[in-house]
Amino acid sequence: AQSVTQPDIHITVSEGASLELRCNYSYGATPYLFWYVQSPGQGLQLLLKYFSGDTLVQGIKGFEAEFKRSQSSFNLRKPSVHWSDAAEYFCAVGEGYSTLTFGKGTMLLVSP
Amino acid sequence: EAQVTQNPRYLITVTGKKLTVTCSQNMNHEYMSWYRQDPGLGLRQIYYSMNVEVTDKGDVPEGYKVSRKEKRNFPLILESPSPNQTSLYFCASSLHTGALETQYFGPGTRLLVL
Repeated sequence: AQSVTQPDIHITVSEGASLELRCNYSYGATPYLFWYVQSPGQGLQLLLKYFSGDTLVQGIKGFEAEFKRSQSSFNLRKPSVHWSDAAEYFCAVGEGYSTLTFGKGTMLLVSP
Repeated sequence: EAQVTQNPRYLITVTGKKLTVTCSQNMNHEYMSWYRQDPGLGLRQIYYSMNVEVTDKGDVPEGYKVSRKEKRNFPLILESPSPNQTSLYFCASSLHTGALETQYFGPGTRLLVL
């Protein structure tokens, strides 16, 4: 069965600093990988997704993620964090007609 | 505006009192699903529907029912709510079935069962 691990429950980053959120997946084939963001009181919004091709994927709001098959990872990055990025971030994996499996989430706190 | 709406947004009820949470999308999406979100557990899928009159269980279906009589609506029914169903519920939809499809989420319904 597919699974997703987000090792960090919460991370605090200073505004303007770089960010990396970790995601590891367990899946037999090449998965489809996603990052979603949930702002306080809101539903989830898709940041980016990977399904094939270039392993570095660009998303909205200045985020990017890199698929590394050898490490079974799909880490989310942003070069300079803004206070408005404070939210909970979810990594998800799926394949074909399967439903998505979500990680448990990483809460990002941005300090002034 | 393309959106997924849920009602109510907040609900307090008592054990055993049947309730329905509605979900509606205006994007003509085929696929709809329900998730619950609990602290430390992330999102877990309750039920999903690939089209009208086609529904199937997700990872945590116990205690829930759904129906899909119309393409735009996918209500979640709790016949006899219990305190362990206190949670934040999200409805989501996508154009077609498939993991590659972008899912669009509703704003969530926070349910407290006393």
